[in-house]
Amino acid sequence: AQSVTQPDIHITVSEGASLELRCNYSYGATPYLFWYVQSPGQGLQLLLKYFSGDTLVQGIKGFEAEFKRSQSSFNLRKPSVHWSDAAEYFCVRSNFGNEKLTFGTGTRLTIIP
Amino acid sequence: DTAVSQTPKYLVTQMGNDKSIKCEQNLGHDTMYWYKQDSKKFLKIMFSYNNKELIINETVPNRFSPKSPDKAHLNLHINSLELGDSAVYFCASSQVEAGELFFGEGSRLTVL
Repeated sequence: AQSVTQPDIHITVSEGASLELRCNYSYGATPYLFWYVQSPGQGLQLLLKYFSGDTLVQGIKGFEAEFKRSQSSFNLRKPSVHWSDAAEYFCVRSNFGNEKLTFGTGTRLTIIP
Repeated sequence: DTAVSQTPKYLVTQMGNDKSIKCEQNLGHDTMYWYKQDSKKFLKIMFSYNNKELIINETVPNRFSPKSPDKAHLNLHINSLELGDSAVYFCASSQVEAGELFFGEGSRLTVL
């Protein structure tokens, strides 16, 4: 069964510092990969997605992610975090033709002044 | 205009009661979903409907019954509520199956 692993349950970063959230997916058919963000008390919002093509994808709010097939990874990055980035981040995958999306367990991001 | 809206946002009820959560999307999407998020933030799909037809039915107790009167609505009815049903339930929609999901703000259910 396909799976998504987010190894870091909780990350704390200083405001203005760079950020990288890790995501690994299980080997399988060409995955579609997504990063979603959930702010406290809110639903989930799509940050970015990868289907094919350029392996470095740009998203909203200054986020980017890089698909690395050799490492089965899709890590999320931001060069300089803002206090408003504090939220829960979910890495998600699906396979072409598969209706089910598989969610990672999430990484909670805390920003300190 | 809210793209995916769910009501109620909060629901507190006693064990054994029956309750419903409603979901509506105005995006014109064909596929709608119900997800359950537990206290550890883990999200698990419960149901998926495509154009009013049930596509995915995960191992959910049959106390949970989704109903889709039209492709813009997907309601969730829960019978004989149990303590373990306490969670946040998210409705979502997508244009294509396994594509980008648009989520509602969630309905927090607390069973006492």
